[in-house]
Amino acid sequence: AQSVTQPDIHITVSEGASLELRCNYSYGATPYLFWYVQSPGQGLQLLLKYFSGDTLVQGIKGFEAEFKRSQSSFNLRKPSVHWSDAAEYFCAVGYHQTGANNLFFGTGTRLTVIP
Amino acid sequence: AAGVIQSPRHLIKEKRETATLKCYPIPRHDTVYWYQQGPGQDPQFLISFYEKMQSDKGSIPDRFSAQQFSDYHSELNMSSLELGDSALYFCASSLTGLGEQYFGPGTRLTVT
Repeated sequence: AQSVTQPDIHITVSEGASLELRCNYSYGATPYLFWYVQSPGQGLQLLLKYFSGDTLVQGIKGFEAEFKRSQSSFNLRKPSVHWSDAAEYFCAVGYHQTGANNLFFGTGTRLTVIP
Repeated sequence: AAGVIQSPRHLIKEKRETATLKCYPIPRHDTVYWYQQGPGQDPQFLISFYEKMQSDKGSIPDRFSAQQFSDYHSELNMSSLELGDSALYFCASSLTGLGEQYFGPGTRLTVT
């Protein structure tokens, strides 16, 4: 069965500091991995995805993530956080069903940015 | 670029009433997904459709049903509403094979 773990419920960083959000997954085959961001009361915006190939993927807003099969991890990073990055971040694993790639989400990490 | 459209954006219903949520996918997207997000919770997969056929079913209650129409829009029908159904309901769409799901803004359902 698929599962996604985000160990950190809440992270606080200073503006300009680096950021790493952790994500571990459990899946029997090669996973599709995603990071989504959600601002309060808003929908989910895709930051980046990993399907195959290069294990370091670049996303929007300066985010990147590295797929490490040996650690079953897909951690999200940003070298310098901006105040506008404050939001909820969800890691998700997808599996391919007939024509559809259904997503299982982690419980999310809330990011607070201190000026 | 066109995005996923959901209507209504907000809905208030009483217990035991019914509700219908609508989702219009991005043009040419043939797959639609429904998710439920309770307060402070992560989105939970409910059901998906590919080419108008049900593809997969998640934690969707028997009181809920959904379908995808010939124009690829989808509707989630919810009956005998309970207080616990109060949540944000997201629709997402994707183009088969790409795996990227694009989410709509959500419908906030409040059951009183």
